[in-house]
Amino acid sequence: GESVGLHLPTLSVQEGDNSIINCAYSNSASDYFIWYKQESGKGPQFIIDIRSNMDKRQGQRVTVLLNKTVKHLSLQIAATQPGDSAVYFCAEPPLTGTYKYIFGTGTRLKVLA
Amino acid sequence: KAGVTQTPRYLIKTRGQQVTLSCSPISGHRSVSWYQQTPGQGLQFLFEYFSETQRNKGNFPGRFSGRQFSNSRSEMNVSTLELGDSALYLCASSLGGDSGNQPQHFGDGTRLSIL
Repeated sequence: GESVGLHLPTLSVQEGDNSIINCAYSNSASDYFIWYKQESGKGPQFIIDIRSNMDKRQGQRVTVLLNKTVKHLSLQIAATQPGDSAVYFCAEPPLTGTYKYIFGTGTRLKVLA
Repeated sequence: KAGVTQTPRYLIKTRGQQVTLSCSPISGHRSVSWYQQTPGQGLQFLFEYFSETQRNKGNFPGRFSGRQFSNSRSEMNVSTLELGDSALYLCASSLGGDSGNQPQHFGDGTRLSIL
C-alpha cells in the first residue's frame, strides 16, 4: 500500500547546530508534501509544504528538500533552538478518492543545551 | 483567521459511558477529519467529512461515529467507552473538494481519559 515513513524515530541535536529530518515516500505519483511539528500537549502545526515541481523550498529557518528520483524528502532546521524540540511528521494529501491524508510515524527532535 | 477549535480540551470518563467531542474548522474549510493519537502510535485515521457526508472511515469499531453540520462544524461520538479509548483526539480541517493539493490544519485536540 502507499506509505510515508521516517527513517529515524529520535534525533538529538546540539543547540545551535542544524537539524535534518528525513522522510521516505512510496507513491511516485505524489506531487505534494507537508511537514508538521507537534509539541507536547498540542496538535500538529503546519510548518511548510512543497510541490513536486520544486526541489527546494525555504521558510523561516526551515528548508524542505525533495528528491523525486529516490522518493525522499527532508526538513532542515537551521540553528536549532530549544523551542524546536518536538515531533516532526511528513505527510501527503489523499490519493484520489480516498480523502485520507497519509502521515509518517514521526521523528522526535531533542535539542541539547 | 481563527484556527481549528476543539472542545473540550480535557475529558475524564468511566468505562461504559459515552462522549461527544466537538470541532469547529477554519472558516471556509469544508473538510473535517478526525484522528486518534496514543503514546507510541502515529495518527490513526477515524473518518473524514465533507458537506455533511462521510467520505472515508478508518478501521475503528462502530462505537466511533461522527457527523458534520451544514456550517462544517463536526462532532464525534464514542459510545460504551473502554480503557483503550484513552487518547488524544485530533480534528483537522482543509478546504476539501477538488481544489487540489492542500494541507490539513489541526486543532490542539481533546485529551480523553477513561477510568
